[in-house]
Amino acid sequence: QITLKESGPTLVKPTQTLTLTCTFSGFSLSATGVGVGWIRQPPGKALEWLALVYWDDDKRYSPSLKSRLTITKDTSKNQVVLTMTNMDPVDTATYYCAHRLPGSWYFDYWGQGTLVTVSS
Amino acid sequence: QSALTQPASVSGSPGQSITISCTGTSSDVGGYNYVSWYQQHPGKAPKLMIYDVSKRPSGVSNRFSGSKSGNTASLTISGLQAEDEADYYCCSYAGSSTWVFGGGTKVTVL
Repeated sequence: QITLKESGPTLVKPTQTLTLTCTFSGFSLSATGVGVGWIRQPPGKALEWLALVYWDDDKRYSPSLKSRLTITKDTSKNQVVLTMTNMDPVDTATYYCAHRLPGSWYFDYWGQGTLVTVSS
Repeated sequence: QSALTQPASVSGSPGQSITISCTGTSSDVGGYNYVSWYQQHPGKAPKLMIYDVSKRPSGVSNRFSGSKSGNTASLTISGLQAEDEADYYCCSYAGSSTWVFGGGTKVTVL
């Protein structure tokens, strides 16, 4: 059974760096083709894809946010970490991590999400 | 990469069929048969309903179906039920391992 869970601060100040951790179980990020992505959703607004890391450490980012994002994986801990620099109130959102099945182009399992508020 | 275009809202009576459109470009929807649809109830995480344009994951009702023509994908819900009331998002692969989501559609069961 695949599960994912996001963790991190609920409140960050403008200009700070956000660090979120996705802890997962039921699969290995060292298995060929597996990926873990991050998607966010501002309150009352649409989903937005942010980043994805593959089993082979290949990393992909949203073109519009690429300069602010870093995604890393720790296979031994079953964790994926997303950092976002220079946080702004418009970055207030629920941040989700999600599993990408090998050879697929969709996200089949999602975490419950974690709400991050950016405010001074 | 611009968000895919979905109608803000669609409504229907129980038992009716509704269709939600999702319009992109030749760089995303039109360029790949990798459109997926997600259902999201308030306060919940998105749930995969359709993948690869028209395939249903195990456990998803066959009342949900997907299709695509050119740069527009569609999700049809037949035999509308109260439990189908939710937000629906389309998502397309956009090349180079990037994805783009739609703006979301609120489905109301009258």
